[in-house]
Order: sequence, then C-alpha cells, then structure tokens
Amino acid sequence: DSGVTQTPKHLITATGQRVTLRCSPRSGDLSVYWYQQSLDQGLQFLIQYYNGEERAKGNILERFSAQQFPDLHSELNLSSLELGDSALYFCASSVGQPGNTIYFGEGSWLTVV
Amino acid sequence: SQQGEEDPQALSIQEGENATMNCSYKTSINNLQWYRQNSGRGLVHLILIRSNEREKHSGRLRVTLDTSKKSSSLLITASRAADTASYFCATDAPGGGADGLTFGKGTHLIIQP
Repeated sequence: DSGVTQTPKHLITATGQRVTLRCSPRSGDLSVYWYQQSLDQGLQFLIQYYNGEERAKGNILERFSAQQFPDLHSELNLSSLELGDSALYFCASSVGQPGNTIYFGEGSWLTVV
Repeated sequence: SQQGEEDPQALSIQEGENATMNCSYKTSINNLQWYRQNSGRGLVHLILIRSNEREKHSGRLRVTLDTSKKSSSLLITASRAADTASYFCATDAPGGGADGLTFGKGTHLIIQP
C-alpha cells in the first residue's frame, strides 16, 4: 500500500460526459501528480500541484482540469469525454523535492463508451 | 514523447533464471528510478539511483547506471513467478513535472514456473 488513495477504481461513462477523479496523497506529501496510462501512449504526465498551486503542466488536454485543495487532496476533472480518453489515470504524490521518490495510487480505470 | 526506452519490450524466462532489462534515455539526468507494475495495478517504486552512482542493490535487484552511455539496467536474480509484471524506468528529465518523472514504455516480464 503506497498510501495514495484514488477513487473511484472503475467507472464507465458515455461520450460527452464529465467525470471527476479524486486523489488523497500520502500523509505529509505536498506534491500531487496526475498521469494517464494508455496502451498506445504509455504513461503520460498530465499535471503537477504543489501545496495547492499548479507547478508543472504536461500533456493535459484543455478539456481536462485539475486542482489541489487546502487539505492537499486533488481532483482531476475530465469533460466532453471521447472514446480516446479511455485509460488508466494515476495519481501520485511526493514531498515535492528533486530526486524524491514518487508514490503511485492504484489508479482509476475510465472507460468511455 | 518518452524519455526512457526499455529493452526488450517483452521478456519470458523460466523461474529461477535471472532477468535483465535495459533502459536508455536521451537527456542528462540527476537520478533514474525503476518501478514495477502488476497488471492493471499501480506502480510500485523499486529503486532509485543517482547520477553519481554506478550500481545499487536492493534484495534480488541490481541496478546499474552508465551516464556516459545514457543507459541503465535492472537485473532481477533468481526470478520468481511473483516477479511477473511490467517494469518501467523513469528519469527526472524535463517533461515529467517540476520534480516529477518521465517514463519509458516498459518491459513486460513473464516468469514461467
């Protein structure tokens, strides 16, 4: 158990819909990362937050947004969903320093039908 | 684009044999990490090696790093069926967040009993 908690574990939704994925980081970790894993793209970094503020942005679509709340939990919002958004979405956390170990949650399986 | 490229893409060996996976990367790094992912599960951190280190051990794992060749290898000795998983190398190269990681596409390791 990494200490990073993600909900829901699985969800199936229709194209055009909007979903919210939730993440609780490990106790004491200030940094939260979101990754998308798909068969064709591998593990893609989406966005990073540190202590409530956006720190870095990766390959995140404009239809997607995220935030980190004062209690350090984070949410990833995916809207206007397309079939190609079906993937495993990971949240990870760390203390937020260079060279730190990043701990991953079990992921949220999103299937868009 | 992926920073790290693992080789081979897939590897199947008999239980008890040693498994070697390689990772090449493109840009200078401060550290390189290896992760394991069981099918459909989260990534589990295995080991971190810093750029000024050449070799590191953790139990049955041995990691080497050659910064002149921009490559790393992960050796799993005396493999077990439970080692069946995908193995990813990840670097702190740009593209993974301010202090995050950029992943390769992984090596899928199958240990046959």
